[in-house]
Amino acid sequence: DTAVSQTPKYLVTQMGNDKSIKCEQNLGHDTMYWYKQDSKKFLKIMFSYNNKELIINETVPNRFSPKSPDKAHLNLHINSLELGDSAVYFCASSQDYSSGVTGELFFGEGSRLTVL
Amino acid sequence: AQSVTQLGSHVSVSEGALVLLRCNYSSSVPPYLFWYVQYPNQGLQLLLKYTSAATLVKGINDFEAEFKKSETSFHLTKPSAHMSDAAEYFCAVRGNSGYSTLTFGKGTMLLVSP
Repeated sequence: DTAVSQTPKYLVTQMGNDKSIKCEQNLGHDTMYWYKQDSKKFLKIMFSYNNKELIINETVPNRFSPKSPDKAHLNLHINSLELGDSAVYFCASSQDYSSGVTGELFFGEGSRLTVL
Repeated sequence: AQSVTQLGSHVSVSEGALVLLRCNYSSSVPPYLFWYVQYPNQGLQLLLKYTSAATLVKGINDFEAEFKKSETSFHLTKPSAHMSDAAEYFCAVRGNSGYSTLTFGKGTMLLVSP
């Protein structure tokens, strides 16, 4: 039973299109994240939600809009796709932030987005 | 703010040789430190974590790491490399207060030759 699952795994689309990636976790965690991994494997936090509330919003273009319908789901919608958006997008989850919780992340398998 | 620096984007070893992947951290508070492994076309998997309980941390697949505060280091080692260890390895740091999240290093690709 997959702990953090993302769909789709692969996404190929044209510039200017709009696409969504979905993520679900069955670990009972309160916090979920989107990370972007570029072609050099660098991982950068994009967004974090805690109990459906946005708590981290890094300097990401507003074409990217996350949405958390409940604490087990976090989706990422991208408008007007650009070539530079090509990357692997990882969803992750962790236990709630609080002192004493180590907060390691559990990752999904990633969604590879290719913009042509 | 916290950060990590991984020395060496690529490390090559022979099968059976010692593996040493270097990580130095910067943190204004006592940190939580992590090592993750990423196999090709897969997500990141936790190898081990430092939580201040013990400075020498043992993880999966015979990997271990030692937290050295004086050197601000958290290097990853394995006594004997296997071909299956070839992967990308990431060191990450997290502060221990508030809504801090994991900050990752740039990764080190471990290459294992027969």
